Amino acid sequence: RKEVEQDPGPFNVPEGATVAFNCTYSNSASQSFFWYRQDCRKEPKLLMSVYSSGNEDGRFTAQLNRASQYISLLIRDSKLSDSATYLCVVNPRGGSQGNLIFGKGTKLSVKP
Amino acid sequence: DAGVIQSPRHEVTEMGQEVTLRCKPISGHDYLFWYRQTMMRGLELLIYFNNNVPIDDSGMPEDRFSAKMPNASFSTLKIQPSEPRDSAVYFCASSLKPNYGYTFGSGTRLTVV
Repeated sequence: RKEVEQDPGPFNVPEGATVAFNCTYSNSASQSFFWYRQDCRKEPKLLMSVYSSGNEDGRFTAQLNRASQYISLLIRDSKLSDSATYLCVVNPRGGSQGNLIFGKGTKLSVKP
Repeated sequence: DAGVIQSPRHEVTEMGQEVTLRCKPISGHDYLFWYRQTMMRGLELLIYFNNNVPIDDSGMPEDRFSAKMPNASFSTLKIQPSEPRDSAVYFCASSLKPNYGYTFGSGTRLTVV
């Protein structure tokens, strides 16, 4: 099983739609979780951290399910500018140790 | 802060040549990471440093790859000799601590012909 797995998509949705991505991770001891966004031919940028209690940032909601070892990202009222690849990221060791493991990303295309 | 600065932005070289990629992390960040991104394999960690010391280089593909961090504000990734399969985008990232997330540089797009 890969350390971090995502559906590569693409997800093609109309403007205003709600879209959700899931990601699974293999290491049950993982401590830190993130969603990154990567635009075409650009570097990945931190979108939001994912906390155990779930967290929201405007139209974006991230949730963590430790029991099932998956992370989700929900985007409400999609905008054209949301078109990008969304990377699920896990720190398998947590704290100040180790490095982040990146999923291959889910591509989102928002159409007018 | 100017963010993580990488150079060059693009590099085209012939097979067998030496390639040196450069990175300046964000001031005060203790961690520096080198990643490689390809369509097939996604983002792969090559090596990371903590306080200028290499901690994990298990992702370095082979002896042709080497990385150094002589001081807190500079790191290099060298490929010698380069091969066409090394063609990829190489990202440098820095962080206060891994669980704070990373800030990436703009990347170096390497093409080996």
